[in-house]
Amino acid sequence: QKEVEQNSGPLSVPEGAIASLNCTYSDRGSQSFFWYRQYSGKSPELIMSIYSNGDKEDGRFTAQLNKASQYVSLLIRDSQPSDSATYLCAVNGAGGGADGLTFGKGTHLIIQP
Amino acid sequence: EPEVTQTPSHQVTQMGQEVILRCVPISNHLYFYWYRQILGQKVEFLVSFYNNEISEKSEIFDDQFSVERPDGSNFTLKIRSTKLEDSAMYFCASSPRRGTYTDTQYFGPGTRLTVL
Repeated sequence: QKEVEQNSGPLSVPEGAIASLNCTYSDRGSQSFFWYRQYSGKSPELIMSIYSNGDKEDGRFTAQLNKASQYVSLLIRDSQPSDSATYLCAVNGAGGGADGLTFGKGTHLIIQP
Repeated sequence: EPEVTQTPSHQVTQMGQEVILRCVPISNHLYFYWYRQILGQKVEFLVSFYNNEISEKSEIFDDQFSVERPDGSNFTLKIRSTKLEDSAMYFCASSPRRGTYTDTQYFGPGTRLTVL
């Protein structure tokens, strides 16, 4: 059974600070890792994907992957009130494009103005 | 920018009735998915579809569920006899290609299904 674990929060961060979100996964064969943002009542919106160990940066967002530790993280720099949302970590196996994603429960992030 | 669309946005039905949820994936995408999210819970994978057949399905996707691509644009999820516990938000997603890694899945806005 594939599991993806996230701290549900809420994680409260002052505006302008760095928000750090963490995720662990159980399936060592997992190959693809995604961070989605979900506003209340809305659908998941892709923030970043990462496939290789190390860091991947896109604007204010940095994803970090450590396959040996089965750990994925997302850093949000210069946090804005509009970043307040639930952040979902999603993981996929080695099967390729048709595999379903396994999601964590999400971390609720609150950016305090 | 192309988007996945879903209709209706909200469906209310009586227990035991059949419902069909509709999705129009992004036009050049080849892989289609259904997920559900019960209120307050995590997003759960139901089924993936490629080349006009089911590629993978979860334990949730039992005989009450079916999927179909009736034409070149629509992708549907049918629930034959709805139960109270089927009340959830249902998301359709699509992705463009199959490669070494899973390609990004783009989600539609969802259909909120309420079973009374």
